[in-house]
Amino acid sequence: KQEVTQIPAALSVPEGENLVLNCSFTDSAIYNLQWFRQDPGKGLTSLLLIQSSQREQTSGRLNASLDKSSGRSTLYIAASQPGDSATYLCASTGANSKLTFGKGITLSVRP
Amino acid sequence: GAGVSQSPSNKVTEKGKDVELRCDPISGHTALYWYRQSLGQGLEFLIYFQGNSAPDKSGLPSDRFSAERTGGSVSTLTIQRTQQEDSAVYLCASSFGLAFYEQFFGPGTRLTVL
Repeated sequence: KQEVTQIPAALSVPEGENLVLNCSFTDSAIYNLQWFRQDPGKGLTSLLLIQSSQREQTSGRLNASLDKSSGRSTLYIAASQPGDSATYLCASTGANSKLTFGKGITLSVRP
Repeated sequence: GAGVSQSPSNKVTEKGKDVELRCDPISGHTALYWYRQSLGQGLEFLIYFQGNSAPDKSGLPSDRFSAERTGGSVSTLTIQRTQQEDSAVYLCASSFGLAFYEQFFGPGTRLTVL
């Protein structure tokens, strides 16, 4: 059974800092890995999708990497802003097409 | 274009009543998924549809939960005889296909069982 872990559960950084959010998974037999953002009381916004054959994906200030062999993915946020404050979740897609989620990292960017 | 929509956005019901939650996927998306997000459990997968069929119902928490999809579009998640532990946010997602495709989520339905 796939387990996805995100540590730490919460992170507070000053504005402008570059930061890395970590995600680890136990079963490397995944189709892809997806990073989401969730604002309080809202649904999930898809940020980046990395297919299992890819190493990384970039969108604006966000860069996500995937290392299947070590069961790790990272989300890099450059020049963080207060508007980046949210919960960030990673999820892997397994053979039955379901997403298995980590518990998320709640990020606070201080002005 | 329009994203995934869900209704109602909030539902408060009494223990023992039945509730229906609705999901309208993005037009053209053949795959549809239901997830549940609760404080203690995080986000958990419930069921998915490819077209109108649901090959795997093992994620449904109990036989009080059922889901259907008609016309390859709208889906309804029904919870019978609701219990307090059913209180959660129910999220729906859709994608162009299974496995390799990005899933797009709706805003969710917050269910509170009193």
